Amino acid sequence: DQQVKQNSPSLSVQEGRISILNCDYTNSMFDYFLWYKKYPAEGPTFLISISSIKDKNEDGRFTVFLNKSAKHLSLHIVPSQPGDSAVYFCAASGDKVIFGPGTSLSVIP
Amino acid sequence: KAGVTQTPRYLIKTRGQQVTLSCSPISGHRSVSWYQQTPGQGLQFLFEYFSETQRNKGNFPGRFSGRQFSNSRSEMNVSTLELGDSALYLCASSTPGGALGNTIYFGEGSWLTVV
Repeated sequence: DQQVKQNSPSLSVQEGRISILNCDYTNSMFDYFLWYKKYPAEGPTFLISISSIKDKNEDGRFTVFLNKSAKHLSLHIVPSQPGDSAVYFCAASGDKVIFGPGTSLSVIP
Repeated sequence: KAGVTQTPRYLIKTRGQQVTLSCSPISGHRSVSWYQQTPGQGLQFLFEYFSETQRNKGNFPGRFSGRQFSNSRSEMNVSTLELGDSALYLCASSTPGGALGNTIYFGEGSWLTVV
């Protein structure tokens, strides 16, 4: 039973445009959500997080939105850059940190 | 401040053997979690240790085990290796409060190939 879902395995975006990565979760006990970026052959790197008491958190080009009623969060990257091309993992924290399957983002120059 | 350190980075083992992977967390972090990543899969949670005690465990067979030492360093062991155990094994540590509600930071991972 997949508690954290990222239904888009891949996404392609033109450089300078907005990238929107989506994540859905099923467990209402999750109270903290995180996004990680992963390059091949490297460990995941923390990007941004959000507590369940907030609906938005922004850090530079990265913004995470949380819709608790829909059990949905999204990561917006504006503007997208070629260096953003990587796999992005959504994670949710309850009694343990559960990761989604990832979305591979390609930013086309 | 040094990051999470995992050793070895790469290793090849034969079916039936056992393997031990090591992880040194960020200084001051008391929680260490282990994850398995295989092609096409996300990061599958193995277990979490906090102050030398296993606090959470994922859905992996008993062949997968771990421990944490008093200095917060952790090891994971896989016995009777199978081909399907070939994966990237990632260790993560989190801020002193533990992994719950805190950011976890990953090491570079240990690539295990079972032949």
